[in-house]
Amino acid sequence: NAGVTQTPKFQVLKTGQSMTLQCAQDMNHEYMSWYRQDPGMGLRLIHYSVGAGITDQGEVPNGYNVSRSTTEDFPLRLLSAAPSQTSVYFCASRFDTEAFFGQGTRLTVV
Amino acid sequence: GQQLNQSPQSMFIQEGEDVSMNCTSSSIFNTWLWYKQDPGEGPVLLIALYKAGELTSNGRLTAQFGITRKDSFLNISASIPSDVGIYFCAGQWLSGGGADGLTFGKGTHLIIQP
Repeated sequence: NAGVTQTPKFQVLKTGQSMTLQCAQDMNHEYMSWYRQDPGMGLRLIHYSVGAGITDQGEVPNGYNVSRSTTEDFPLRLLSAAPSQTSVYFCASRFDTEAFFGQGTRLTVV
Repeated sequence: GQQLNQSPQSMFIQEGEDVSMNCTSSSIFNTWLWYKQDPGEGPVLLIALYKAGELTSNGRLTAQFGITRKDSFLNISASIPSDVGIYFCAGQWLSGGGADGLTFGKGTHLIIQP
């Protein structure tokens, strides 16, 4: 069981660079979300999707874009990386209540 | 938006001791969830609570859904070294669409001293 797979696990970017964090799930879940985790801040919702073709903003969406062309994939794009986006990013998928998380992507922007 | 207050922020305990942590909210939730995050990993669901007053156990873990639907607690009995990690509460409301529906507390960092 793969569950939720995130790639890459680690990434260093220079300020202004762009990149895409990949997230794939094999559980046929409709709901998928992206969170960032910072010390003392818990998990904060960036963007989410309730199904293919539908996305919406969460608590901290600025600087990030998402798309949901298939049920399985929910990539997160950083258009122009900033040091404030240094964080650990988690993708999650869920059906109804229980959310399953990926192992995270640790991103450093220098 | 919805906010959860999770306490304590961190706990330093001796192996074998019992642990208690809780979450409170200004809003009502339909579901309470408790997650554990090991270092370098994503959160993993420990217990899900679906009804006000519900008390659920999972091994040495016990959690309760408060009768006001605005709070929940998690107890760990006879702690062991592998209990170390960050514990998150999460509340879910049924928004009828248009929202992620999950709100997370900021976590309780559990540290066990030998």
